[in-house]
Amino acid sequence: AQSVTQPDIHITVSEGASLELRCNYSYGATPYLFWYVQSPGQGLQLLLKYFSGDTLVQGIKGFEAEFKRSQSSFNLRKPSVHWSDAAEYFCAVGAKAAGNKLTFGGGTRVLVKP
Amino acid sequence: GAVVSQHPSWVICKSGTSVKIECRSLDFQATTMFWYRQFPKQSLMLMATSNEGSKATYEQGVEKDKFLINHASLTLSTLTVTSAHPEDSSFYICSATTQRHTEAFFGQGTRLTVV
Repeated sequence: AQSVTQPDIHITVSEGASLELRCNYSYGATPYLFWYVQSPGQGLQLLLKYFSGDTLVQGIKGFEAEFKRSQSSFNLRKPSVHWSDAAEYFCAVGAKAAGNKLTFGGGTRVLVKP
Repeated sequence: GAVVSQHPSWVICKSGTSVKIECRSLDFQATTMFWYRQFPKQSLMLMATSNEGSKATYEQGVEKDKFLINHASLTLSTLTVTSAHPEDSSFYICSATTQRHTEAFFGQGTRLTVV
């Protein structure tokens, strides 16, 4: 069975500072990994995804993530946070073998201080 | 491409009534659709998987008689919450995919409030 852990429930960061959100997954085969962002009362927006190839993935809004198979991790990073980045972030794991069904982590709420 | 639309975006219904939520793939034929539920300040939990023309597969703990899922065509799946109660108030999100895709595409979600 696949599972995803996001160890940090809340993270507070100052505007302009760097941000890293942790994600650890468990999956028996090669996973497909995703990061989504959700603003309050809104749906999900896909930030980036990893299927194969280069382990450093670039996404929208200046985000990137690095897949580390040895650590079963897929951490999300942004060099300089903007106030508009305050939101809930979800890491998810899926696989084509599972019919593209996703398992989500518990989410990390990011608060941005001025 | 790969646009999924959910309707309505929000709905308020009285306790004991039923409410139907639609999930449409606008520019592709979705052989599989997923329904997720998200309680306030929580993550998304998969409720069921529906494949076109067959019965939905429900996750453990999800009442299939309460959450009726129909996937009668390749572009439409519906979730009907029957005899809704306040504890069914939640954010419901669908996603759709095909065998040729490596990901599922999400609708914008439906916020259900039962009063």
